Amino acid sequence: RKEVEQDPGPFNVPEGATVAFNCTYSNSASQSFFWYRQDCRKEPKLLMSVYSSGNEDGRFTAQLNRASQYISLLIRDSKLSDSATYLCVVPPGSARQLTFGSGTQLTVLP
Amino acid sequence: GAGVSQSPSNKVTEKGKDVELRCDPISGHTALYWYRQRLGQGLEFLIYFQGNSAPDKSGLPSDRFSAERTGESVSTLTIQRTQQEDSAVYLCASSLQGLNTEAFFGQGTRLTVV
Repeated sequence: RKEVEQDPGPFNVPEGATVAFNCTYSNSASQSFFWYRQDCRKEPKLLMSVYSSGNEDGRFTAQLNRASQYISLLIRDSKLSDSATYLCVVPPGSARQLTFGSGTQLTVLP
Repeated sequence: GAGVSQSPSNKVTEKGKDVELRCDPISGHTALYWYRQRLGQGLEFLIYFQGNSAPDKSGLPSDRFSAERTGESVSTLTIQRTQQEDSAVYLCASSLQGLNTEAFFGQGTRLTVV
């Protein structure tokens, strides 16, 4: 099993829709989780950090399910500007690499 | 500085030449990462520094690739005898304490080997 696996996408949704992505991880010792967004030909930028059961920031909600070992990202009232690739990051419990998921591509359509 | 700075932003080099890419992390950040991203692909881990040492260099694709970090600050990624398959964006990120804290990325160096 890969360390981090994401919904492959692409997700094409109309403006105003609610969309959710999942990310599963294999290392049960992981304590913190991150969602990044990456615009085309740009660097990844931190979107949200998740240290406990979840986090909410405006239209964005990240939830953590430790029992099933997945994190989700929910985007409400999608905007055109939300179109990007969303990457989840699950740091391992030991001193190794910071592994990124392969990303989920979202396109919000007018 | 305010953010992670990488230089050069773009580099075109001839096959077989050596290149050196530089990363200036956010001041005080002890952890530093290098990634490679080919067009349309995901992030490929190269190497991780904690301070000046590299606990994980498992991602370096060949012995043509090397990296160092000095003064717990600047890092350089060197690619010797470049090949066309080395063409990619090389991204550097830094974080305050390491693996369980947020990492912030530089804008990357776009390397083209012709």
